[in-house]
Amino acid sequence: DVKVTQSSRYLVKRTGEKVFLECVQDMDHENMFWYRQDPGLGLRLIYFSYDVKMKEKGDIPEGYSVSREKKERFSLILESASTNQTSMYLCASSLGLEIGNEQFFGPGTRLTVL
Amino acid sequence: ELKVEQNPLFLSMQEGKNYTIYCNYSTTSDRLYWYRQDPGKSLESLFVLLSNGAVKQEGRLMASLDTKARLSTLHITAAVHDLSATYFCAVPRWTGRRALTFGSGTRLQVQP
Repeated sequence: DVKVTQSSRYLVKRTGEKVFLECVQDMDHENMFWYRQDPGLGLRLIYFSYDVKMKEKGDIPEGYSVSREKKERFSLILESASTNQTSMYLCASSLGLEIGNEQFFGPGTRLTVL
Repeated sequence: ELKVEQNPLFLSMQEGKNYTIYCNYSTTSDRLYWYRQDPGKSLESLFVLLSNGAVKQEGRLMASLDTKARLSTLHITAAVHDLSATYFCAVPRWTGRRALTFGSGTRLQVQP
């Protein structure tokens, strides 16, 4: 079974702090994604990566950066957390287009910024 | 810009009834995905539809894809309480096809 894990289920941070959210997948997937989910807005793509050190912006990259130094790990960084970044953050991974490109999701991190 | 619209957004139904959730998308796509999310949990893959006319069934759920109409349906047969969840459809983006655009989700509540 594909397993996508996220470093924390719940996180509380203060405004202005630098926040790291970690995601690890164990199936050698080439693609990894970060979404945020907010009530009434569905899932919105922040960034994705299709290879080590490669990344592309999604719909709402402002205030975020990402890092992919190893294939299995994709980190989301909030450079200076703000209250409007309070949200559920979901990481996902997928093998590739040739295999149907089904995305598998981690359990999510609920981040609260005070 | 790709838009993915689901309707209804909220559906309350009685056990034993049938209903259909619709997913429309605005640009050409040869595939579509359905996910389920239970309250407080993450997304679980339900169906992967990879071609026009594709139909997949799992238990009381059946999904189909019409790429010409840019429409997918998720049909619920004889609903049971365990099907209560939020259902999302998702379509690959044209730019960077590896990424998906999700619909807003349909919150399904099955009343006993």
